Amino acid sequence: GESVGLHLPTLSVQEGDNSIINCAYSNSASDYFIWYKQESGKGPQFIIDIRSNMDKRQGQRVTVLLNKTVKHLSLQIAATQPGDSAVYFCAENSYGQNFVFGPGTRLSVLP
Amino acid sequence: DAGITQSPRHKVTETGTPVTLRCHQTENHRYMYWYRQDPGHGLRLIHYSYGVKDTDKGEVSDGYSVSRSKTEDFLLTLESATSSQTSVYFCAINSGRATGELFFGEGSRLTVL
Repeated sequence: GESVGLHLPTLSVQEGDNSIINCAYSNSASDYFIWYKQESGKGPQFIIDIRSNMDKRQGQRVTVLLNKTVKHLSLQIAATQPGDSAVYFCAENSYGQNFVFGPGTRLSVLP
Repeated sequence: DAGITQSPRHKVTETGTPVTLRCHQTENHRYMYWYRQDPGHGLRLIHYSYGVKDTDKGEVSDGYSVSRSKTEDFLLTLESATSSQTSVYFCAINSGRATGELFFGEGSRLTVL
């Protein structure tokens, strides 16, 4: 498949452990954030989103935390599975503006 | 899955030749976008459209043009391809510019020799 990113930071975790992927965003006016998952050879897929009036949002096995003070976003994946291996990146947006994307982190799940 | 189809999925061409990539959606969404994805970079916006015949430039628009003659189709054209335009191109759609997630196509890998 396509090479998504040859020089991405990589996070390696054991199957069954929890994963934490971090993202620093740039615009203090951003009020909407998304985490995407991208598998090799595929387009990005929506995982979870959060608006700036929230600090935390939970989905199925995933949690997003937002710290507006330090402009930091994190994605937590519980009980990481082999199918979670992919590149993960965040996107930020403010009203009337286009999305800005982070470069991504490659998650590698070890058996 | 959002109904987005990109074509071609893979193309190899030579420097100086014109190339057109097509994005087709079945969601009737107003906004459509073209991004490029390169190693070490996040997705970068080339052009976007907010309606039929309504388009605007993104951050890396030089060397690219777009057209949208129908709601469902958004075309990206490289008038004279260069090696620096070797990339993976993604089309995305959403119903409003700041009203929810972007849905992405599967990508078009372009190699310019």
